[in-house]
Amino acid sequence: RKEVEQDPGPFNVPEGATVAFNCTYSNSASQSFFWYRQDCRKEPKLLMSVYSSGNEDGRFTAQLNRASQYISLLIRDSKLSDSATYLCVPGGGATNKLIFGTGTLLAVQP
Amino acid sequence: DGGITQSPKYLFRKEGQNVTLSCEQNLNHDAMYWYRQDPGQGLRLIYYSQIVNDFQKGDIAEGYSVSREKKESFPLTVTSAQKNPTAFYLCASSISTSGIGEQFFGPGTRLTVL
Repeated sequence: RKEVEQDPGPFNVPEGATVAFNCTYSNSASQSFFWYRQDCRKEPKLLMSVYSSGNEDGRFTAQLNRASQYISLLIRDSKLSDSATYLCVPGGGATNKLIFGTGTLLAVQP
Repeated sequence: DGGITQSPKYLFRKEGQNVTLSCEQNLNHDAMYWYRQDPGQGLRLIYYSQIVNDFQKGDIAEGYSVSREKKESFPLTVTSAQKNPTAFYLCASSISTSGIGEQFFGPGTRLTVL
């Protein structure tokens, strides 16, 4: 089983749509969780940290389900500028490092 | 402005040559990391350093070397022993030395071996 699994997409959605990405991780001892966004041929940029109670930042909502080892990201009212690859990143356990998923590609259409 | 810089942005190397990639940060972060990214793959950890004059191998350290003589700087050398060095190299730093805190990335260096 891969350490982090994400649907690679692409998710093609119209502007204004709501889209959700899911991610599962294999290490039950993971202690930190992040979502990064990566534009084509650019570096990853931190989008959100994910807390146990779930958290929201504007149009973005992140949820964590430790029992199912599942992380989600919800984007409401999609903008063209949201088009990017979204990386799910758990960290911790025996390795004490971040594990980067391969990402989910989002393409918001006008 | 605080941030992480990497240079050069693009680098071309002939087979058999060593090259050094620069990474500098002025965020006063203790921890620094080197990753490589290949198409269709997640970032893989090459080396990391949690304190000056100390560094640890990551998952794919073979064919690479690093130094950490200053807090601000963590250069990566890609040696001729690295069999498949063509990749996108990313440097990151973190205020946390736990290894699992938020990391912030530089703009990356694209290395192509000719």
